[in-house]
Amino acid sequence: AQSVAQPEDQVNVAEGNPLTVKCTYSVSGNPYLFWYVQYPNRGLQFLLKYITGDNLVKGSYGFEAEFNKSQTSFHLKKPSALVSDSALYFCAVRDRGSTLGRLYFGRGTQLTVWP
Amino acid sequence: KAGVTQTPRYLIKTRGQQVTLSCSPISGHRSVSWYQQTPGQGLQFLFEYFSETQRNKGNFPGRFSGRQFSNSRSEMNVSTLELGDSALYLCASMQTQGSEAFFGQGTRLTVV
Repeated sequence: AQSVAQPEDQVNVAEGNPLTVKCTYSVSGNPYLFWYVQYPNRGLQFLLKYITGDNLVKGSYGFEAEFNKSQTSFHLKKPSALVSDSALYFCAVRDRGSTLGRLYFGRGTQLTVWP
Repeated sequence: KAGVTQTPRYLIKTRGQQVTLSCSPISGHRSVSWYQQTPGQGLQFLFEYFSETQRNKGNFPGRFSGRQFSNSRSEMNVSTLELGDSALYLCASMQTQGSEAFFGQGTRLTVV
């Protein structure tokens, strides 16, 4: 069964400091990997994805993610956090071996960046 | 390019009633998926449609149903509403299996 784990419900960082939001997965084969962000009472907004190639993926708003196949991890990072980055972050995977589009999500990590 | 549009944004219904939610995908996207988001269960997959056919279904009771029209617009229906159906319902569309899904703003359903 496919599963995604975000081990931290909450991450708190000071503005200007680097941030990391962790994600590990358990999926058969080599999945597609995604990060989404959600602001209050809004839908999910796409940040970045890993399909193939370079293990370091760059996305929107200065975010990047590092794919580690041996550790089955896909951690989200940003070198310098902004207060406006405060939001709920979701890691998601999709089965590459299927033609289906279903996404499996982690439980989400609430990121708070304080001034 | 217009994004995914969901209507209505907010709904209040009474237990036992039924409700229909609508989703218009991004132009050219033929795959539409629905998710339920609650604080307790997180994001749960409801179903996926492609070219008017349901391709995949999550673990929800038969009270939850959906359909897709020839223009790729999709609707989901929940009959005999229960208090536990209160949630944010999200629709997503995508172009190909390897591409990202784009989400609508969601419909906030409250069952009283």
